[in-house]
Amino acid sequence: DAKTTQPNSMESNEEEPVHLPCNHSTISGTDYIHWYRQLPSQGPEYVIHGLTSNVNNRMASLAIAEDRKSSTLILHRATLRDAAVYYCILNGQGAQKLVFGQGTRLTINP
Amino acid sequence: GAGVSQSPRYKVAKRGQDVALRCDPISGHVSLFWYQQALGQGPEFLTYFQNEAQLDKSGLPSDRFFAERPEGSVSTLKIQRTQQEDSAVYLCASSQDRAPSTDTQYFGPGTRLTVL
Repeated sequence: DAKTTQPNSMESNEEEPVHLPCNHSTISGTDYIHWYRQLPSQGPEYVIHGLTSNVNNRMASLAIAEDRKSSTLILHRATLRDAAVYYCILNGQGAQKLVFGQGTRLTINP
Repeated sequence: GAGVSQSPRYKVAKRGQDVALRCDPISGHVSLFWYQQALGQGPEFLTYFQNEAQLDKSGLPSDRFFAERPEGSVSTLKIQRTQQEDSAVYLCASSQDRAPSTDTQYFGPGTRLTVL
C-alpha cells in the first residue's frame, strides 16, 4: 500500500482557514486520495476524496498538486467541532480496505 | 437515516474469556469491514466481507479472532481466550461497494474492549 506522511499535530484558531498537508510521493496513477476524520470517541467519518482535480464539498476542499505527490485538505472556516484527527489515505484500484496512518491531530483554539 | 450501529459500546472481559462484538451495517450495504484501533493509533484493518463471503481476513492477528456475516447483513466479531493485548476499540464500517477505490466507508461508534 502506498504510504502517506502527515504532521503529527496542528493548531489553528476558530473561524480561520486550516490547511492540512499530506505527502504521498509513491502514489500510483490509479490511487485516489481520501480524507477521513475522527472526532473524539467516535468512528472515522468521510470528508472528501479526489484523483487529479481539486475537489470541493460542503465540509472541505481538497487541493491536489499537479504531480499528485502531495495534497492539502482545506477547512475554510474552522469551528471547535472540527477538532479531530485527520487521516489522509490512498486507495488504489480494486482496493477494499482503508490503510490509516497516524493522522494529524487538529486542535482549534476558541 | 440509521447509520452503522455496534453493540455493546463497552465491554470488560477477564483474560481468557470469550467475547462477541456485534455490527449492524447500513441497510443494503454490500461491504462490511472490521478494524482494530489501539489507543493513540490509527485504525488497522482486520477483515472484509462482501455480502456473506469473507473475502479478506489478512488482518486478523491470530486464530483467536473469528468473524462471520451469515446472512450478509449483521456481522459478529468473536475473540476467544482474550488477552490483554486485545484491549482496543473495534470499529465496524460498511459501504455500498459500487466502486472500491471511491466507495465511502461509514463507520460505527466502535466497541471499546478492555481485557483485565
